[in-house]
Amino acid sequence: GAVVSQHPSWVICKSGTSVKIECRSLDFQATTMFWYRQFPKQSLMLMATSNEGSKATYEQGVEKDKFLINHASLTLSTLTVTSAHPEDSSFYICSAQSTGYGYTFGSGTRLTVV
Amino acid sequence: DAKTTQPTSMDCAEGRAANLPCNHSTISGNEYVYWYRQIHSQGPQYIIHGLKNNETNEMASLIITEDRKSSTLILPHATLRDTAVYYCIVRVARMDSSYKLIFGSGTRLLVRP
Repeated sequence: GAVVSQHPSWVICKSGTSVKIECRSLDFQATTMFWYRQFPKQSLMLMATSNEGSKATYEQGVEKDKFLINHASLTLSTLTVTSAHPEDSSFYICSAQSTGYGYTFGSGTRLTVV
Repeated sequence: DAKTTQPTSMDCAEGRAANLPCNHSTISGNEYVYWYRQIHSQGPQYIIHGLKNNETNEMASLIITEDRKSSTLILPHATLRDTAVYYCIVRVARMDSSYKLIFGSGTRLLVRP
């Protein structure tokens, strides 16, 4: 089946620094990947849709200059949280769309900004 | 933007069927219903999806009403490992013909021994 690997699984960073999260489709090519954010005891909220070779589509209210998304290949999308602040602390989850397997989610990255 | 409504929590006895309802009264004709579940601090796991007809796989059955305004996920013989948050999701079409999954608030299912 389709496997999506997300790295790192957790990260702690200082306020004001940037953090990069990787999302890889291991055994399939994903032209479209999605990035979600989940706060404790809440549902997943779609942040943006990442398309290989083109600009990401951001959901309303998501700052594109703060959450930089790059989808440079058919198997890798990255989310960079720039100038992170404590309110950016959250669980970030990626998802990849594949033909035949639908939408496969990564295991998530827990970001803590101190 | 959320298009689904689910009970906040439910519980069932181990070995019994778990029936999780979902209301999606504003669903459009070409929008699929997906079900995923999430165990604490993990990524969501795919369960099943459907458009109009009832669907069954090795994990669950999905019953969609004829008017498509609601559906029920059935776990036929719940086990303790089925304790999780279950999300009923509508796949929404964008203007550029791409799709996105819009998560509802989910149902926290507790399977009791």
